[in-house]
Amino acid sequence: QQPVQSPQAVILREGEDAVINCSSSKALYSVHWYRQKHGEAPVFLMILLKGGEQKGHDKISASFNEKKQQSSLYLTASQLSYSGTYFCGTEEGGNKLVFGAGTILRVKS
Amino acid sequence: NAGVTQTPKFQVLKTGQSMTLQCAQDMNHEYMSWYRQDPGMGLRLIHYSVGAGITDQGEVPNGYNVSRSTTEDFPLRLLSAAPSQTSVYFCASSSLRSEAFFGQGTRLTVV
Repeated sequence: QQPVQSPQAVILREGEDAVINCSSSKALYSVHWYRQKHGEAPVFLMILLKGGEQKGHDKISASFNEKKQQSSLYLTASQLSYSGTYFCGTEEGGNKLVFGAGTILRVKS
Repeated sequence: NAGVTQTPKFQVLKTGQSMTLQCAQDMNHEYMSWYRQDPGMGLRLIHYSVGAGITDQGEVPNGYNVSRSTTEDFPLRLLSAAPSQTSVYFCASSSLRSEAFFGQGTRLTVV
């Protein structure tokens, strides 16, 4: 079952902050975050694991509420390079990763 | 280190034709998956594999077959192409609960 992402789209000016949310109705083992630029493959940002472990880029911040099956990605002091579509992926078990519909982020100068 | 390699990058098929999309990885990952990407619908899981000889269905498996005879290769077969299968297809590989590496995608058009 696809996780639900919000918002669907967001426009920021450089330096502003944004939060992208991801929720599932199922118990999760892990939540993944990826960014995709137009015409390119998705690129890994972060994994949040059940139990609190996180793996990912130092400049990316995210949270995972295991009880509510919700995750949030925090983008602070946004730069033009942050523009793209952000996907959360959720794993209910067996390393089977299902993605949400995506959040389009546009950063303007 | 090539990572995940998909071929072809572009393909045009006629309705009813069959074809195989190739995916190969050189990172010795156990887990491999196929996704299709359509505007506004994100990445939808077609089939996935947890190791050689083991495959399972994802969210949208109808019209597609897979096999995993080696750790490295995970081909996706379209049995009888339909216009609804026009999409961008991505293959991904990973270790357990780790970063998924994506191929560069195959843009398929069925006319």
